[in-house]
Amino acid sequence: QVQLQESGPGLVKPSETLSLTCTVSGYSISSGYYWGWIRQPPGKGLEWIGSIYHSGSTYYNPSLKSRVTISVDTSKNQFSLKLSSVTAADTAVYYCARQIHLFDYWGQGTLVTVSS
Amino acid sequence: EIVLTQSPGTLSLSPGERATLSCRASQSVSSSYLAWYQQKPGQAPRLLIYGASSRATGIPDRFSGSGSGTDFTLTISRLEPEDFAVYYCQQYGSAYTFGQGTKLEIK
Repeated sequence: QVQLQESGPGLVKPSETLSLTCTVSGYSISSGYYWGWIRQPPGKGLEWIGSIYHSGSTYYNPSLKSRVTISVDTSKNQFSLKLSSVTAADTAVYYCARQIHLFDYWGQGTLVTVSS
Repeated sequence: EIVLTQSPGTLSLSPGERATLSCRASQSVSSSYLAWYQQKPGQAPRLLIYGASSRATGIPDRFSGSGSGTDFTLTISRLEPEDFAVYYCQQYGSAYTFGQGTKLEIK
């Protein structure tokens, strides 16, 4: 069974960089698929942030592209998200997911609050 | 960017009734690359339907999807108590965008 688990700080200061890691179990990232990040502000809908292939090729939501970096560490079976220059508008539950265009396996999500 | 508009925003029905949820795209979704997800409070979304009409693994057959082009529908034939949740559509034909969600609540 494929499982994903997000980890990282739950509180980030404005203007700083949000950093999260997704650890995958039950499936080797090196075997294929894209791996994505999605976020959901409290009480609101879902927004795709970006995705990475096991080879390291990435693509991002154009609205966030200038601030997003996604990377992969196949040796640890993990992929990571960095979002720079955060503001209160970046407060959200952040999910990682396995992606075959659609998202078939999701992590439980982690709430990141941007506040001083 | 393809914008997905879901209607209604909230749907109030009773267990045993039929639910019909709509998702309209601002431009045609290629190859029916349209998925539906169910999300319950405090949980991650769960994939229900992909390719507009194919059920994901383990999804009961009371859930069905239909549509093509710009108009898509999720139908739940007979509502069970566990079906009351928020439902999102997502297109994956051109980047990835989600609808704003339809909340299915108990009447």
